[in-house]
Amino acid sequence: SYDLTQPPSVSVSPGQTARITCSGEALPKKYVYWYQQKSGQAPVLVIFEDNKRPSGIPERFTGSSSGTMATLTISGAQVEDEGDYYCYSLTDTSDSRVFGGGTKLTVL
Amino acid sequence: EVRLLESGGGLVEPGGSLRVSCEASGFTFSEFGMGWVRQAPGKGLEWVSVIYGGDKSRYYAEPVRGRFSISRDNSRSMLYLQMNSLTAADTGRYFCVKEFAHGSHRFFDSWGQGTLVTVSS
Repeated sequence: SYDLTQPPSVSVSPGQTARITCSGEALPKKYVYWYQQKSGQAPVLVIFEDNKRPSGIPERFTGSSSGTMATLTISGAQVEDEGDYYCYSLTDTSDSRVFGGGTKLTVL
Repeated sequence: EVRLLESGGGLVEPGGSLRVSCEASGFTFSEFGMGWVRQAPGKGLEWVSVIYGGDKSRYYAEPVRGRFSISRDNSRSMLYLQMNSLTAADTGRYFCVKEFAHGSHRFFDSWGQGTLVTVSS
């Protein structure tokens, strides 16, 4: 089965830059999307098509992708950015979808 | 405003069956793919299934293939997930999701709050 691999956790101090990576063999051919999930809430899309930001998402959230690795960068992370972040993509055949295992971001 | 309201979750014994539903509003339901994503307690998101709006093509994640069946009623803006031969591994919150599609770009742009399914004796 196809997997997207993320680090389990990332921790930064307020104001620092947080980087969350996502690796997958099909990423050179498939877009990556990033979701933020805060405790007890439904996920929210923060980045689509590798590097585009939905309306209402702060500019400090940026995305990039190169080869088999995609990165979500939060510049000047704030305490309110704490939560779980998931990368998401289609599989090589596009018939299936897959989430990464999730990364818990701590800002303190 | 898009709204997705799940229902039908509950406690079911191993080997049993359950059907969860999702009532959609705020968009033209028949024009969009819809799906289910689940989350086991304390665990990550797992894609379960998707059904397209046009030809109603259906796709399933490997762990549920052959046991779960996704369907939709466009006349009522309803999405369903029939779950059979349930095991403890199927326990979790089941989110109804709306899929945005443009060419090969597909992602879930709206989520419900989820319905909790517990498989236990």
